Amino acid sequence: KAGVTQTPRYLIKTRGQQVTLSCSPISGHRSVSWYQQTPGQGLQFLFEYFSETQRNKGNFPGRFSGRQFSNSRSEMNVSTLELGDSALYLCASSADLVGYTFGSGTRLTVV
Amino acid sequence: KNEVEQSPQNLTAQEGEFITINCSYSVGISALHWLQQHPGGGIVSLFMLSSGKKKHGRLIATINIQEKHSSLHITASHPRDSAVYICAVEGTGANSKLTFGKGITLSVRP
Repeated sequence: KAGVTQTPRYLIKTRGQQVTLSCSPISGHRSVSWYQQTPGQGLQFLFEYFSETQRNKGNFPGRFSGRQFSNSRSEMNVSTLELGDSALYLCASSADLVGYTFGSGTRLTVV
Repeated sequence: KNEVEQSPQNLTAQEGEFITINCSYSVGISALHWLQQHPGGGIVSLFMLSSGKKKHGRLIATINIQEKHSSLHITASHPRDSAVYICAVEGTGANSKLTFGKGITLSVRP
């Protein structure tokens, strides 16, 4: 069974640019959630999508957005990048009573 | 005060030792998760608990809902157990998101 796939693995962007990250969940999982991990703040919840609807949102500015497609694949977008957005971005897919399966993450560096 | 607190902050053990990592939380939860993260970033889900105790190989996880406390035990520790162990709680109802502890860095020496 294929795991959660995140692309790209590494990304370098310049301040002010925008970036789109992709997450393909485990087949059959309809819930996809996104997280930001930094050395200072640890893991923080960004948002969760279920059947193409945002079900929950964390405390991040509006520059962070996401969406989910009918095949459950999800993208997150960060506009007007800041140096502080440099982080490991993780997505996880889940199904009821199964728990979370995490992808390997996208490491974003903003210069 | 963070909603999820883990102790100790860092831990070094000798191979073969019995290890306990603790997690306390202050909110109502539907489940508690123990996660393992090795250098390089990948996170593996070890346990999802809503009550009682679970065992998988050398790992045992327990939760006391009344005391809002969970422990992760590693028996016969091995250097390959060296990783960051993260406790995360899943909220209830409309607030079903994960809230994470800071993680414990475990180093097991041969």
